[in-house]
Amino acid sequence: KAGVTQTPRYLIKTRGQQVTLSCSPISGHRSVSWYQQTPGQGLQFLFEYFSETQRNKGNFPGRFSGRQFSNSRSEMNVSTLELGDSALYLCASSHRQGVSGNTIYFGEGSWLTVV
Amino acid sequence: GENVEQHPSTLSVQEGDSAVIKCTYSDSASNYFPWYKQELGKRPQLIIDIRSNVGEKKDQRIAVTLNKTAKHFSLHITETQPEDSAVYFCAASPENSGGSNYKLTFGKGTLLTVNP
Repeated sequence: KAGVTQTPRYLIKTRGQQVTLSCSPISGHRSVSWYQQTPGQGLQFLFEYFSETQRNKGNFPGRFSGRQFSNSRSEMNVSTLELGDSALYLCASSHRQGVSGNTIYFGEGSWLTVV
Repeated sequence: GENVEQHPSTLSVQEGDSAVIKCTYSDSASNYFPWYKQELGKRPQLIIDIRSNVGEKKDQRIAVTLNKTAKHFSLHITETQPEDSAVYFCAASPENSGGSNYKLTFGKGTLLTVNP
């Protein structure tokens, strides 16, 4: 069974640009969540999608957005990039919402560098 | 919201010794506590988790204990090996009204170094 797949793995963007990251969850998993990892702030929750709907959102500005498609694949977008957005963006998937104790599996992440 | 404190931030042990990492959380609604291991440049990988109806869980050399009254949980690694060297993260998640427990709040991580 393939794991959580994220693309691209590495990218460099310029301040002010926008970026779209993609995530394919484990087959059969319907929930996708996104996390930002930086040396200073650690792992921080961005948002979670289930059945194409955003169910939870972290404390990030509106420049960070996402969506989920009918096949459970998800994308996240960051507009008007700032230097501080440089981070590892991790996607995680789990089987289904509403079941206590879902196990969350992470992808390898997308390394974003903003210059 | 939830706040998770993790200690120590770095831990160095000799091969064969035990290692203990401790976390405290603030939200009494949290009921799911996973531990992740992240090697340099790799994804966080779940190594063990515990739910609020269990006080202790063990998997070979790894064990986790939970004290809901005190709001703390700990990771114990026995007979450490050099390959245990990594950053370990604790996390906590409440079960929301919709039954979802995806909003993990992570500790800042512990860099464990096992010296041969």
